[in-house]
Amino acid sequence: DIVMTQSPDSLAVSLGERATINCKSSHTILYSSNNKNYLAWHQQKPGQPPRLLIYWASTRESGVPDRFSGSGSGTNFTLTISSLQAEDVAVYYCQQYYSTPVTFGQGTRLEIK
Amino acid sequence: EVQLVQSGAEVKKPGESLKISCKGSGYSFTNYWIAWVRQMPGKGLEWMAIIYPSDSGTKYSPSFQGQVTISADKSISTAYLQWSSLKASDTGTYYCARHPPGVSGQYFNIDYWGQGTLVTVSS
Repeated sequence: DIVMTQSPDSLAVSLGERATINCKSSHTILYSSNNKNYLAWHQQKPGQPPRLLIYWASTRESGVPDRFSGSGSGTNFTLTISSLQAEDVAVYYCQQYYSTPVTFGQGTRLEIK
Repeated sequence: EVQLVQSGAEVKKPGESLKISCKGSGYSFTNYWIAWVRQMPGKGLEWMAIIYPSDSGTKYSPSFQGQVTISADKSISTAYLQWSSLKASDTGTYYCARHPPGVSGQYFNIDYWGQGTLVTVSS
C-alpha cells in the first residue's frame, strides 16, 4: 500500500493569514503515461461528511473558493489556504488514487489562532 | 444534482449481521465506481472496497478483505456493505463515495460522498 503522511497533525492560523498543509507519499503518484499526479484533497468539517476540494494535485473542484490551491508532484504535495476564513476550520485529508487500495493521509486539524 | 443517500444509523450486538445501503441519483449509476470508507470514532478515513455497478466487479483493501462484502443492485441504483458477524471494533461511521471511471478498470479520485451511516456494535 502507498502510505500518505501529512504534516503537521494540527495547525493554528490567524484569520486572514496563510495556512499550509503538506502531504508526502511513500511511492511516486505521478503517472508517466499522462503526466498526472493522482492526488486529491478533501475537507471534513465537524459532524459532516468529507468534501472534495482539489484533484489531480492542483485542479480546484467546481464551487471551491480560489483561496484554496494545491501544488506539488511525484511524492511531495501541498495544500495552501491563502487567507484563512472562519469557515475553513476543519480536518484536511490528502488521498492518493494511483493504486489500489486508495489511501488517505492521517488528517491535519486546522484551527483559528 | 448528484446525491448519494445512505441508510440510517444502526445499533447491533456482537455476532449479528448487518447490511447498509447507498442509493445514487442524479447521474448514471452504472457508469461510476462506488467505494465504502470507514471512519472510526475520532479517527481518520480508511478506504475499504469498491464496486463497479455495471458488471459488479469489486476490489478490496487487504485490510478489509474477508471482513465485509460489497454488492450493488443496478436496477435500483443502490450499493451495499454487509457484515456476517459484527465485532465491537466495527463501530464507526461508514461513508459511500463515488469514483469517476478511468480506462482499463481504473478509477479516479472520490468526487461525491454520502452523508454517512453510524454503526454502533455493543453488547
